[in-house]
Amino acid sequence: DGGITQSPKYLFRKEGQNVTLSCEQNLNHDAMYWYRQDPGQGLRLIYYSQIVNDFQKGDIAEGYSVSREKKESFPLTVTSAQKNPTAFYLCASSIAYRALVGMNTEAFFGQGTRLTVV
Amino acid sequence: KNEVEQSPQNLTAQEGEFITINCSYSVGISALHWLQQHPGGGIVSLFMLSSGKKKHGRLIATINIQEKHSSLHITASHPRDSAVYICAVRFSSNQFYFGTGTSLTVIP
Repeated sequence: DGGITQSPKYLFRKEGQNVTLSCEQNLNHDAMYWYRQDPGQGLRLIYYSQIVNDFQKGDIAEGYSVSREKKESFPLTVTSAQKNPTAFYLCASSIAYRALVGMNTEAFFGQGTRLTVV
Repeated sequence: KNEVEQSPQNLTAQEGEFITINCSYSVGISALHWLQQHPGGGIVSLFMLSSGKKKHGRLIATINIQEKHSSLHITASHPRDSAVYICAVRFSSNQFYFGTGTSLTVIP
C-alpha cells in the first residue's frame, strides 16, 4: 500500500545534539513538507520541497535543515541552533500542482513525530 | 491573519450527540483535508475534499466551494471520538495552511 511514513513516533534527545527526523513516501509525490506544532497553536511550515534536489524555507526555518536527494525521502534535521526544539513534527506529501493540467488534490500526511529535548 | 479559521476551539458533548465542527478559508483552494489528532499526537487523515460530501462510518465531511466553508459532522458521538480535529487547506501555490484545531471531548 502506498503511504507516507514518519519515524519514530516519539524521540528524545539531549540538549545540544542534532537530531534527524525521517519522512519517507512511496506515492511518487513530487512535493514534500515539514510542519511543526506547538501546544495550542496550528501547524507551521518549516521547509518544503517541490522537486528532488530543491527545497525552500517556510515560515520558521531557523535552526532546521533538510535535504531532498531522493524523491521518496525528505529528512529534517533539528540542529542545536533551534532554540525550542521540543514539539510535534508532521511530514506531508502531495502531487505537485501543475497549472496546465488543472488542480490535483492528492495529498497525504504522516502520523507525526513528537520530539522532546531534555 | 490566519488563512484558515476553525470553530469552535473547544467542544464538549455527551455521548450520542451529533457534533459539527466548522472550517472557513479566505481564498480559493485546490483541496481541503480533515485530520484527527489523538492525545499523544498521532495524526490520522480523515477526509480529503475538493467538492461535495464524503462519508466514512459516523463521520461526514462537506464542503461549499462558493462559500469557502467546510464542516465535519460526527453522528452518534462516542468517547473514543475525543481528539483534536484539524482543518487543512491546500491553495494553488501547493502550500498547506492549517486551522488551530477543535478540541473535542465526548463524555460518557
